[in-house]
Amino acid sequence: EVQLVESGGGLVQPGGSLRLSCAGSGFIFSSYWIHWVRQAPGKGLVWVSRVNHDGSSATYADSVQGRFTISRDNAKNTVYLQMNSLRAEDTAVYYCARDLEYHFDYWGQGTPVTVSS
Amino acid sequence: DIQMTQSPSTLSASVGDRVTITCRASQSISRWLAWYQHKPGKAPKLLIYKASSLGSGVPSRFSGTGSETEFTLTISSLQPDDFATYYCLQCNSHPYTFGQGTKLEIK
Repeated sequence: EVQLVESGGGLVQPGGSLRLSCAGSGFIFSSYWIHWVRQAPGKGLVWVSRVNHDGSSATYADSVQGRFTISRDNAKNTVYLQMNSLRAEDTAVYYCARDLEYHFDYWGQGTPVTVSS
Repeated sequence: DIQMTQSPSTLSASVGDRVTITCRASQSISRWLAWYQHKPGKAPKLLIYKASSLGSGVPSRFSGTGSETEFTLTISSLQPDDFATYYCLQCNSHPYTFGQGTKLEIK
């Protein structure tokens, strides 16, 4: 069974850092691109970032470019999202999702991030 | 960036109704469009990919049509489990972009 499980969310002060993890199981993790998508309270889904299968290429939304870094460790079947210089507007539930031929076929349940003093 | 305009933002309907949700892209995305169902506290669920292909295990009452800039998601006969928020997603080019969402409510 394909599973994606996010972890690492929590409460952080503005300007702080947090690292999210997305652990995959039930499939050949190193064969798939992985994306992060977030949903702020009361708002819609917003794409954040993606990493290719071997970690050699990454893309970011303008809103997080320069502050967030996506990476992966295929030996651990895990993708990371390092979030620095966090702002109140980064408050959201963060989901990771598997990319299968230009659509997301499996998603995790999400991990909540709250940026507040 | 490609903008996805989804309508309506809210839709009230009854069990058994046929409903249609539309997404319009600001430029051609060929058929690289997917539809998702999202319920609070749960992972989004893939319904349709490549504009019209049904996701694994998705009931046949869900269907998708369209290409280039105009796309529709149709639910042929609403079931109680279908009341949720629906999103389109363009995967033609980065940054990938979602529509604003359509909240499907019970009338």
